[in-house]
Amino acid sequence: GDSVTQMEGPVTLSEEAFLTINCTYTATGYPSLFWYVQYPGEGLQLLLKATKADDKGSNKGFEATYRKETTSFHLEKGSVQVSDSAVYFCALSDPSQGGKLIFGQGTELSVKP
Amino acid sequence: DTAVSQTPKYLVTQMGNDKSIKCEQNLGHDTMYWYKQDSKKFLKIMFSYNNKELIINETVPNRFSPKSPDKAHLNLHINSLELGDSAVYFCASSQQNYGYTFGSGTRLTVV
Repeated sequence: GDSVTQMEGPVTLSEEAFLTINCTYTATGYPSLFWYVQYPGEGLQLLLKATKADDKGSNKGFEATYRKETTSFHLEKGSVQVSDSAVYFCALSDPSQGGKLIFGQGTELSVKP
Repeated sequence: DTAVSQTPKYLVTQMGNDKSIKCEQNLGHDTMYWYKQDSKKFLKIMFSYNNKELIINETVPNRFSPKSPDKAHLNLHINSLELGDSAVYFCASSQQNYGYTFGSGTRLTVV
């Protein structure tokens, strides 16, 4: 079945460092890809999404490009802030699987001042 | 405000009890979901309803019974609660697989 694999955390960075969180997927159909963020004690918020190959999603300085050839959707940010500390989830939605969101295991990011 | 709202936010109960979590969305979405987040933050779908009809039921014990009185509501009833049911439960809704909106979660603690 469909699955999502993220790099393991926790990831600890200094403020203004470059961030990459790797995400790869397997899918039988043509999924849409998402990054969600969960701040401590809160629910899930959509960070960005891409619905087809080569699309780039971006929001709040974060970017991710849907790479069909490498089945990847890596999250990047050029300069992280302390306020970016959270758990980040990569996810896919495959219409052939009923449209449910399938999540990676989450990557905890801690940004130190 | 347009949102997915679920109640209660926190629920502490004893083993063996029966409890319900309620969810409502005012986004006009056709599909609603329940997800479970375990202690390691892993998120897994439990159920999905589309226009009040069950479309996904992911190997969840039959002590868990979702109920959708209309397409704006999806409640989760849990019978005979066990310690392993302790988790955060998220309700979500979506439209045409593109826009998913999550509730703020219900932290269930079984003691």
